[in-house]
Amino acid sequence: AQSVTQLDSQVPVFEEAPVELRCNYSSSVSVYLFWYVQYPNQGLQLLLKYLSGSTLVESINGFEAEFNKSQTSFHLRKPSVHISDTAEYFCAVKGTGFQKLVFGTGTRLLVSP
Amino acid sequence: DVKVTQSSRYLVKRTGEKVFLECVQDMDHENMFWYRQDPGLGLRLIYFSYDVKMKEKGDIPEGYSVSREKKERFSLILESASTNQTSMYLCASSWSLETQYFGPGTRLLVL
Repeated sequence: AQSVTQLDSQVPVFEEAPVELRCNYSSSVSVYLFWYVQYPNQGLQLLLKYLSGSTLVESINGFEAEFNKSQTSFHLRKPSVHISDTAEYFCAVKGTGFQKLVFGTGTRLLVSP
Repeated sequence: DVKVTQSSRYLVKRTGEKVFLECVQDMDHENMFWYRQDPGLGLRLIYFSYDVKMKEKGDIPEGYSVSREKKERFSLILESASTNQTSMYLCASSWSLETQYFGPGTRLLVL
């Protein structure tokens, strides 16, 4: 069965600093990878996903993630964060075929002025 | 825009009560899911459904049941609520088994 590891439970950064949120998954022949974001008191929203093709995927609000098959990683990065990026971020993985989505335990990003 | 709604944002119930959590989606999605979210544990799948009247157990189905009588509606039932079921409950739906769209969540407190 697939599993996802988000080693950092909380990442504090200053506004306009770069950030990387780490995600590693258990290996499989083929996987689909996702990052979801949860703002305070809201449900989860899809931030970006990797299904196939280019290993670098981007979101509309400046985040990007790179699928690295050899390291079984899908780290999320942003070169300059805003206060409004404060949220909890969940990495998720699914194998091909009829398999459920497996979520990591989440990383809380805290952006301060 | 996909819209997934949940019947309550906050709910307070007593131990032993029967609790119904309702979820409705408006995008004709085949698949619907119920998760619970707890600090440090992330999201854990309780049940999912890939068609009307079809259901499958997730990772933590004990103490829960579900009902899907209509395609757009997926209900989670706590037959006899217990304090360890105090949690945030999230419903999601999807067309394919890839991108899931989430509701705002129901925060349930069992006293």
